[in-house]
Amino acid sequence: AQKVTQAQTEISVVEKEDVTLDCVYETRDTTYYLFWYKQPPSGELVFLIRRNSFDEQNEISGRYSWNFQKSTSSFNFTITASQVVDSAVYFCALSEAGPGTYKYIFGTGTRLKVLA
Amino acid sequence: DGGITQSPKYLFRKEGQNVTLSCEQNLNHDAMYWYRQDPGQGLRLIYYSQIVNDFQKGDIAEGYSVSREKKESFPLTVTSAQKNPTAFYLCASSIRGLTPGANVLTFGAGSRLTVL
Repeated sequence: AQKVTQAQTEISVVEKEDVTLDCVYETRDTTYYLFWYKQPPSGELVFLIRRNSFDEQNEISGRYSWNFQKSTSSFNFTITASQVVDSAVYFCALSEAGPGTYKYIFGTGTRLKVLA
Repeated sequence: DGGITQSPKYLFRKEGQNVTLSCEQNLNHDAMYWYRQDPGQGLRLIYYSQIVNDFQKGDIAEGYSVSREKKESFPLTVTSAQKNPTAFYLCASSIRGLTPGANVLTFGAGSRLTVL
């Protein structure tokens, strides 16, 4: 069965610290997609990144970076030099690539608080 | 600007009443989704629709109903049969690509329903 685990319920850091949000997933499929979304206090989830199961290359986008390791079924997200605007709930999600599959499995989210 | 509009943002309901949450998108997306968010439980899929006049139950469809008469609109009715309706409801949409699991979801800002 598919499952996404975000074991960190809440993390607090001081501005300019680096922080890593963990995501561990379970799936029996060989083809799948992983996502990270940010939910600011306004409520809507904002897409950050998508990675398919065949692309283990790490990605960096500004202060954000993602480490995908199939060997440990993890897709961790690091924010470098955190800022107060990074305060939000972050969700990791998994979907399978089968035809007609429209199901995304979300983790329970990690609330990040960045203190000034 | 294209996006998803959910209304109302806050809604109060007495027990035994049905309520309808509105979701409108102008992104020309074929697929639309309703998720329920509860504290500590992540997002759970209620219903999704891949095309007009067609919709499928998600994981927690009991006590909810939907319609998809227009591409742009996917209203959700929370019926009196829903035992614990107090929650944050998120509507999302995506393109209907050849690989559905790869599609990025675009979310609305959500509707918070409170049962008095």
